[in-house]
Amino acid sequence: NAGVTQTPKFQVLKTGQSMTLQCAQDMNHNSMYWYRQDPGMGLRLIYYSASEGTTDKGEVPNGYNVSRLNKREFSLRLESAAPSQTSVYFCASSEPSRWGYTFGSGTRLTVV
Amino acid sequence: AQSVTQPDIHITVSEGASLELRCNYSYGATPYLFWYVQSPGQGLQLLLKYFSGDTLVQGIKGFEAEFKRSQSSFNLRKPSVHWSDAAEYFCAVGAWEAAGNKLTFGGGTRVLVKP
Repeated sequence: NAGVTQTPKFQVLKTGQSMTLQCAQDMNHNSMYWYRQDPGMGLRLIYYSASEGTTDKGEVPNGYNVSRLNKREFSLRLESAAPSQTSVYFCASSEPSRWGYTFGSGTRLTVV
Repeated sequence: AQSVTQPDIHITVSEGASLELRCNYSYGATPYLFWYVQSPGQGLQLLLKYFSGDTLVQGIKGFEAEFKRSQSSFNLRKPSVHWSDAAEYFCAVGAWEAAGNKLTFGGGTRVLVKP
């Protein structure tokens, strides 16, 4: 019953460092998403991938890149981390026709 | 573009009392509407969803929501709150786009339950 697995769960970065957040789903879903959650702002979409081989920008894509490695995996990369990217990051997957999003448990990222 | 507003940032309710969380949306077409719950340190769990048909929808954990097109609202209710309902609740609207479907979330309402 893994669902959506995110790694790592916690990370502290220094300003300017880079890192990749990993996400994998085992439900054979076509669509995958990266959101960030900040207090009072809900979840905001960073990037999404409607199907393997496609990616599109969401509401707040600046400072991020993504890779849909295969149907299972969707990674989020911060090339040069900034304190404004301190947040909790959630990955989700869905089967588009059913609107049933499954969320991972999140990655808490702090940039100092 | 679609948007969701949850006017209440925090709500405190006594255990056993009723709960209503407000949600207003903006979307040009018939909306797909959702309520999610997030317990501390956890991901989001779907409570219920509305696509069409009966405007009163039932969800898990005893929650229900009513879609009112004239008011652009989709309020969540529970008749009797349990301590385990303390969590953050998010309303969301779904949209189909050329690149796929996506959810837009409100800012969330944090519910505190008093004994």
